[in-house]
Amino acid sequence: GAVVSQHPSWVICKSGTSVKIECRSLDFQATTMFWYRQFPKQSLMLMATSNEGSKATYEQGVEKDKFLINHASLTLSTLTVTSAHPEDSSFYICSATGLAYEQYFGPGTRLTVT
Amino acid sequence: AQRVTQPEKLLSVFKGAPVELKCNYSYSGSPELFWYVQYSRQRLQLLLRHISRESIKGFTADLNKGETSFHLKKPFAQEEDSAMYYCALNIIQGAQKLVFGQGTRLTINP
Repeated sequence: GAVVSQHPSWVICKSGTSVKIECRSLDFQATTMFWYRQFPKQSLMLMATSNEGSKATYEQGVEKDKFLINHASLTLSTLTVTSAHPEDSSFYICSATGLAYEQYFGPGTRLTVT
Repeated sequence: AQRVTQPEKLLSVFKGAPVELKCNYSYSGSPELFWYVQYSRQRLQLLLRHISRESIKGFTADLNKGETSFHLKKPFAQEEDSAMYYCALNIIQGAQKLVFGQGTRLTINP
């Protein structure tokens, strides 16, 4: 089946620094990748949708300059949290779709900003 | 506005008992609904979708457009069914995307 990986699985960083999270589709080409954020005991909230080679589409209320998304190839998308603050601490999950639109989810990345 | 509502955050039943996880949606377009499951320490995975009309792991879900519902059912719960269940609506707003409900944590007691 289709597999999506994320790296790192968890990261701790200091306030003010930037953190990059990678999302890879391992055995298929992902035309579209999605980035979600999940707070403890809450549902997944879509942050942005990215298509290979084009700018990401951000959901309302998500700061584009804070959450930089790059989808440079059909197997890799990155989310960079710039100038991270404690309120950015969360679980970040990516998903990817191929030719069919079924989304395959990554295992998630837990970000803790101290 | 499009919305998915799962009214129960927690649901606990005994092994062998029937299970029903409720999901209601609000969407002006033609709905396409899914159930996703997240077992402990595992990633989110698709359980079933309404267009398939299939039974997965004994679970079924029927789309009721009149009641705008897509409840997930299983006649006899098993302990391995304990997990977090999310109902999701596929919407088309420029591009396709999923809107998730809040999730229901199902616990099957032995």
